[in-house]
Amino acid sequence: DAGVIQSPRHEVTEMGQEVTLRCKPISGHDYLFWYRQTMMRGLELLIYFNNNVPIDDSGMPEDRFSAKMPNASFSTLKIQPSEPRDSAVYFCASSFTWGDYTNSGTEAFFGQGTRLTVV
Amino acid sequence: GNSVTQMEGPVTLSEEAFLTINCTYTATGYPSLFWYVQYPGEGLQLLLKATKADDKGSNKGFEATYRKETTSFHLEKGSVQVSDSAVYFCALSDPWAGGTSYGKLTFGQGTILTVHP
Repeated sequence: DAGVIQSPRHEVTEMGQEVTLRCKPISGHDYLFWYRQTMMRGLELLIYFNNNVPIDDSGMPEDRFSAKMPNASFSTLKIQPSEPRDSAVYFCASSFTWGDYTNSGTEAFFGQGTRLTVV
Repeated sequence: GNSVTQMEGPVTLSEEAFLTINCTYTATGYPSLFWYVQYPGEGLQLLLKATKADDKGSNKGFEATYRKETTSFHLEKGSVQVSDSAVYFCALSDPWAGGTSYGKLTFGQGTILTVHP
């Protein structure tokens, strides 16, 4: 498998424009995560899906942010309208899980990230 | 809720020095514990993991032991190299509880390691 694939790798856009980030998770993984990384805030979890269903979007900063996962092999994170403070590296990660109450585990794999610059 | 606390950085060492990066956690039940590494310009990569108490994870000369009694998972390496310079993240996953949250990872703030020749 090629790993988690994100596109584009770099995006420069003007304030007010719509930005769409894309992610293809690893086949067979049942979780998908969107993270944002900045120097000031570190790594922040924005939203995650389990079996294509959004489970927790409490990390999404504002209504300008939205995420979808229409099928098991594709997800998008959209910012509309974009603002300079949205500039960051956005990571997508997918994971598989296993286990029961006595022993459980998970392992997340990250994409290379999308570096977003809003000017 | 669950949380992970890492030692304050950055950490600067000379090549072949001993490395320890402290990590403690707060969680109910028995989470799985992880160390991830991020090299410049790249995403996070799993370095090692431990899924139950007293387990030792190891990889590339790095080790960490799951200590339930002290709720810790400290990262160690006996002799660091310049190529180990990176950001290191400690993380935990929610313990299984029959729900959908146990795939989620909670990360510490990251520790920047710089190794000089």
